[in-house]
Amino acid sequence: GQQLNQSPQSMFIQEGEDVSMNCTSSSIFNTWLWYKQDPGEGPVLLIALYKAGELTSNGRLTAQFGITRKDSFLNISASIPSDVGIYFCAGRVNAGNMLTFGGGTRLMVKP
Amino acid sequence: GAGVSQTPSNKVTEKGKYVELRCDPISGHTALYWYRQSLGQGPEFLIYFQGTGAADDSGLPNDRFFAVRPEGSVSTLKIQRTERGDSAVYLCASSLVGGLTTDTQYFGPGTRLTVL
Repeated sequence: GQQLNQSPQSMFIQEGEDVSMNCTSSSIFNTWLWYKQDPGEGPVLLIALYKAGELTSNGRLTAQFGITRKDSFLNISASIPSDVGIYFCAGRVNAGNMLTFGGGTRLMVKP
Repeated sequence: GAGVSQTPSNKVTEKGKYVELRCDPISGHTALYWYRQSLGQGPEFLIYFQGTGAADDSGLPNDRFFAVRPEGSVSTLKIQRTERGDSAVYLCASSLVGGLTTDTQYFGPGTRLTVL
């Protein structure tokens, strides 16, 4: 079963609001990734984090790799309707290894 | 260029039947992964190929599941004696090398399998 606890499970926000979601694990990961999945599609990589403490931005998205290597968060600023979708965190122990995914955060944005 | 493609996009079968799901990775990618995504959950790892060989098959749930990649490109996931609990979206991903920390896995759109 999955080892990553992702919260919240869903969010319904007003357009323009900021969003924050996080992921925690009972074990250490050496890479943390954030993906977005739209209906009928596979996950698409948003941000990749490779070092503990790393803070990385991609446009309106910002993610951090926790110091303990057991957690990560994703922030979305000034949300827009096209941000709607399911966001997944994923951790990887070693290069080439499988990804372990969280349960996802479903984001809904009201215009 | 073309992304990861998977066929069929949808497959409906009856309990007990055999099914094959196909994945065409991005050209030149040596690593290929299969994941299974149940409704309302994140993808779960099944198997990872490096070239033609299965480098990690620890996620295959039981011996009804098998995957091959005979020429190091296209892969086929095979499920024997399907059960209703096998119903899920089966995702395939590929990456360029598989052995680098910065290696990115690119996902296909998945095959939705429904076992009646």
